[in-house]
Amino acid sequence: QVQLVESGGGLVKPGGSLRLSCVASGFTFSDYYMSWIRQAPGKGLEWLSYLSSSGNTIYYADSVKGRFTISRDNAKTSLYLQMDSLRAEDTAVYYCARATTRRGRYDYWGQGTLVTVSS
Amino acid sequence: QSVLTQPPSVSGAPGQRVTISCTGSSSNIGASYDVQWYQQLPGTAPKLLIYGDSNRPSGVPDRFSGSKSGTSASLAISGLQAEDEADYYCQSYDNSLSASVFGGGTKLTVL
Repeated sequence: QVQLVESGGGLVKPGGSLRLSCVASGFTFSDYYMSWIRQAPGKGLEWLSYLSSSGNTIYYADSVKGRFTISRDNAKTSLYLQMDSLRAEDTAVYYCARATTRRGRYDYWGQGTLVTVSS
Repeated sequence: QSVLTQPPSVSGAPGQRVTISCTGSSSNIGASYDVQWYQQLPGTAPKLLIYGDSNRPSGVPDRFSGSKSGTSASLAISGLQAEDEADYYCQSYDNSLSASVFGGGTKLTVL
């Protein structure tokens, strides 16, 4: 069955960095677009970034552009999110999600990993 | 402020029918981009409920249905059950932002 497992969350100081990982199994990872989506405590969902199956096409939300970097390793069936210059407002649960189309339709989600940015 | 607008909350008694609206604009729903709906039970990850405006993934009961017209979409839940109590989010694509966009979410309470 399809599984997405995130890791790498934790407590980090403002201005710090963190790298999230998402390991996929149960499907041909290299065939799918992937995205990162986050949810601040008690808030709604916010799309952050999208990466094509080959890794050649990348999009970012304005809120993270220039600070976050999405990448993937198809050989390791893994998706990554490098987060730099973290701010308090980046505190959230971060989900990786499989996208069946370029414009969304997230059919499988990981369980999420919590990132807390605080001094 | 979300690009797609949903009511913060709706409620209904068991067995009743409720609808949740999702209002967008000409750069997203009005541009004929697909609308998806997700259900998020307390403490869990979102789950795809409706895709392509009105299609249900396998395993989703036919009590859940979606529709779209103009710049708006709706999720209808009939025969409400206690386990339907959750947060519901609509999602589409916005061509002016070149981004997936979500509604702010609607909390469904089963009375």
